Amino acid sequence: QVQLVESGGGVVQPGRSLRLSCAASGFTFSSYGMHWVRQAPGKGLEWVAVISYDGSNKYYADSVKGRFTISRDNSKNTLYLQMNSLRAEDTAVYYCAKDQETAAGTGPCGYWGQGTLVTVSS
Amino acid sequence: DIQMTQSPSSLSASVGDRVTITCRASQGISSWLAWYQQKPEKAPKSLIYAASSLQSGVPSRFSGSGSGTDFTLTISSLQPEDFATYYCQQYNSYPFTFGGGTKVEIK
Repeated sequence: QVQLVESGGGVVQPGRSLRLSCAASGFTFSSYGMHWVRQAPGKGLEWVAVISYDGSNKYYADSVKGRFTISRDNSKNTLYLQMNSLRAEDTAVYYCAKDQETAAGTGPCGYWGQGTLVTVSS
Repeated sequence: DIQMTQSPSSLSASVGDRVTITCRASQGISSWLAWYQQKPEKAPKSLIYAASSLQSGVPSRFSGSGSGTDFTLTISSLQPEDFATYYCQQYNSYPFTFGGGTKVEIK
């Protein structure tokens, strides 16, 4: 069965960086697009970024463009989110998700991890 | 960016009730719409994709319909485990966007 396990969250000061990881198993990781979605405390869901199966295409929400970078290592079945210049408004639970059925990452989120909490605070 | 508007933002219903949640897109998105369920302190779960395709393992009391700009999620007979928050999401164009959510509470 599909399993996605996020890690790397924690408390970080504004302006600093953090890298999240998402370990995937139970499916052919290198065949699917992958997404990051976040949820601020008590708020709704916000789509953050997507990467295609081979890493050649990446798209971002305007709120993180230029500060966050999505990447993947298919040899390790792992998805990453490098977060730079963090702000208080980036505080959220970050979820990784497997694309429903496309390699390009043009589909919805079919399976979700349990999330990792990032708190940006001085 | 495409804006997704859900209504109502919350509702109270009883076990056995038929519940309908609507989602409207600010521009046409064909059938590129998904629905998710989220319970407190849990990750979202996919219910429906392509507006009306039921995710594997999801009970048949859940159904989706619509195309273009107007969509609905229907729960035909509400069960105790269905009390949760529901989100729609468009994946017609980047950035993919979610609706604000509909919280379904026990009456």
